[in-house]
Amino acid sequence: EAGVAQSPRYKIIEKRQSVAFWCNPISGHATLYWYQQILGQGPKLLIQFQNNGVVDDSQLPKDRFSAERLKGVDSTLKIQPAKLEDSAVYLCASSRGQGVNGYTFGSGTRLTVV
Amino acid sequence: SQKIEQNSEALNIQEGKTATLTCNYTNYSPAYLQWYRQDPGRGPVFLLLIRENEKEKRKERLKVTFDTTLKQSLFHITASQPADSATYLCALDIDNFNKFYFGSGTKLNVKP
Repeated sequence: EAGVAQSPRYKIIEKRQSVAFWCNPISGHATLYWYQQILGQGPKLLIQFQNNGVVDDSQLPKDRFSAERLKGVDSTLKIQPAKLEDSAVYLCASSRGQGVNGYTFGSGTRLTVV
Repeated sequence: SQKIEQNSEALNIQEGKTATLTCNYTNYSPAYLQWYRQDPGRGPVFLLLIRENEKEKRKERLKVTFDTTLKQSLFHITASQPADSATYLCALDIDNFNKFYFGSGTKLNVKP
């Protein structure tokens, strides 16, 4: 099966600009997650979708971050305006149902805010 | 506060030896614990899941133990190879809603 697709692979923006990341999960995977991974740290969960509904966004900085999953398939994560501390890799993952049997991650988008 | 701790120092071992990585947690009672491998520039790759009622799980050269009394999981790679060099992450289902929270990972270097 095809893996989780993410784009772009890399992005460099200036602080206060906006940026969007795209994720296409594995076909048939109902649950989709966005994680933020800062260099040297483990992935931090930002938001979890079940189909097109939000299950948990408690760690999403909602003043600047937003995410949507229209039609329960693709998802976009947006940052507006970006701050220097947003520099990180943004990982998308999906799972068939609950994540007990493991998530499948994409390769991520490396964001650098200058 | 809740914590998931993995040794931040890299583990350097010789090829053929057994690598043992540790994942400690506090203030959780996870029903599940997962281990992932992450290579530079790539997303984590799922390796193994162990449930709270399982003491040990094996898959090929990998073995995971889960001690809910000690609040610790050990991850073993036997007969290690240079290709096993990567960062290994543990992840816990801390609120029993099947959302997994990750440790910061331990980098393993296997030298030929």
